[in-house]
Amino acid sequence: GENVEQHPSTLSVQEGDSAVIKCTYSDSASNYFPWYKQELGKRPQLIIDIRSNVGEKKDQRIAVTLNKTAKHFSLHITETQPEDSAVYFCAASISGGSYIPTFGRGTSLIVHP
Amino acid sequence: DAGVIQSPRHEVTEMGQEVTLRCKPISGHNSLFWYRQTMMRGLELLIYFNNNVPIDDSGMPEDRFSAKMPNASFSTLKIQPSEPRDSAVYFCASRKRDLQETQYFGPGTRLLVL
Repeated sequence: GENVEQHPSTLSVQEGDSAVIKCTYSDSASNYFPWYKQELGKRPQLIIDIRSNVGEKKDQRIAVTLNKTAKHFSLHITETQPEDSAVYFCAASISGGSYIPTFGRGTSLIVHP
Repeated sequence: DAGVIQSPRHEVTEMGQEVTLRCKPISGHNSLFWYRQTMMRGLELLIYFNNNVPIDDSGMPEDRFSAKMPNASFSTLKIQPSEPRDSAVYFCASRKRDLQETQYFGPGTRLLVL
C-alpha cells in the first residue's frame, strides 16, 4: 500500500519568515495530494490540494509543489503569521477510485510573533 | 450545508462501558470514513464505507470496535467494552466520490475512558 513520510515533525519560525513542509509517497499511481490544517482542538480542514497533472499551485500565501519523478510534494507558506500556527497534514491518494487517502504524521508549525 | 455532524462532542466513561459515537455525513456524499487521532499514532483510519457498505475495516483495532451505516445519512462507531487506551479524538469524514476527492471532517468526539 501507499506510504507517506512527512518532515519535519515540528517547525518553529519567526513571523514573516517562510515555512516549508515536505512529504514523500511510495505509490507512483497516486495522483491527488491534499494538505490539511488542524488548529488546536479543531478538525482537519483542507487548505490546498494538487493533482499530478500540474507541478505547482498557489493560493495567496500558500503554495504546493509536486515532483512526480521523485515522488515528493511540498507545502510552502510565505510571510507566516501567528494564526498559521497549527498541525499540517499531507495526504496521497488515487483520484476517482475507492483508494483511501494515506496521511502523513503531521507537522506542528509554530509561528512566533 | 451544516457540514459533517458528530455527536457527542465529548464523552467521559468508565472502563467496561459501551460507547456509541454518531456521525451524519454531508448530504450527497457517498463515502464515509472513521478516524482515530492520538498523539502517539497520529491520524489512523479505522473503517471506510462507500454507498453505506463497509469497504475496508482493516484499521479497526479489535473486535471491541464495530461500525455501521444503516443509511446514507447516518453512521455509528461502537466500542464495547471500552478501555482506557481507547481514549482519543474520533473523527468522521465524508466525501463525494468524484474528481474532487476532498474529505470533509466533522468536529470530532473527544473520548476519555477512565
